[in-house]
Amino acid sequence: GESVGLHLPTLSVQEGDNSIINCAYSNSASDYFIWYKQESGKGPQFIIDIRSNMDKRQGQRVTVLLNKTVKHLSLQIAATQPGDSAVYFCAERPSNDYKLSFGAGTTVTVRA
Amino acid sequence: EAGVAQSPRYKIIEKRQSVAFWCNPISGHATLYWYQQILGQGPKLLIQFQNNGVVDDSQLPKDRFSAERLKGVDSTLKIQPAKLEDSAVYLCASSGTLDQPQHFGDGTRLSIL
Repeated sequence: GESVGLHLPTLSVQEGDNSIINCAYSNSASDYFIWYKQESGKGPQFIIDIRSNMDKRQGQRVTVLLNKTVKHLSLQIAATQPGDSAVYFCAERPSNDYKLSFGAGTTVTVRA
Repeated sequence: EAGVAQSPRYKIIEKRQSVAFWCNPISGHATLYWYQQILGQGPKLLIQFQNNGVVDDSQLPKDRFSAERLKGVDSTLKIQPAKLEDSAVYLCASSGTLDQPQHFGDGTRLSIL
């Protein structure tokens, strides 16, 4: 079946720098995308979502970009902090379904 | 608002035994989900409820897994009998409607010996 995946399994970032986490999806029928952050021993925490009628959405220190032409999704974190160290998952949902499909995740490590 | 509550946090059992997990969603959330997360992977949906009805259970191994949400609030997920490959974190999530973001509990970490 079609799946969501992340380009890189790990990302190391210097504290204070901006982080970019990438995600490629293959289901052209997907119209809703969501990013989660998962810290060790905890459940996924909602960060930000975006629908396919948008190409950019901003939150607090985070921006999600959606490029439907190349089926690519990215999460940008501004001024990365030690507390941003976690596994980040993107997930997608097709327009004809309410089932979320998760990628394998990117582990972000923030260097002091 | 209080988040999704799950219990127990950890469970260790031997293969072929049975186990049950409990979930209390965010107050007022009609939709409830159970996910299985194997170490190093993203969560995989097992079953989805809308109120007390099942919306999707296509990925639930029904020969050993069962779930219910009798009064449309709390839910239980049961495994009987457990297999070694069931070792995972079982996550519960809820959303106000099917179209809204899902909010997760911290899960139950299940280890099968």
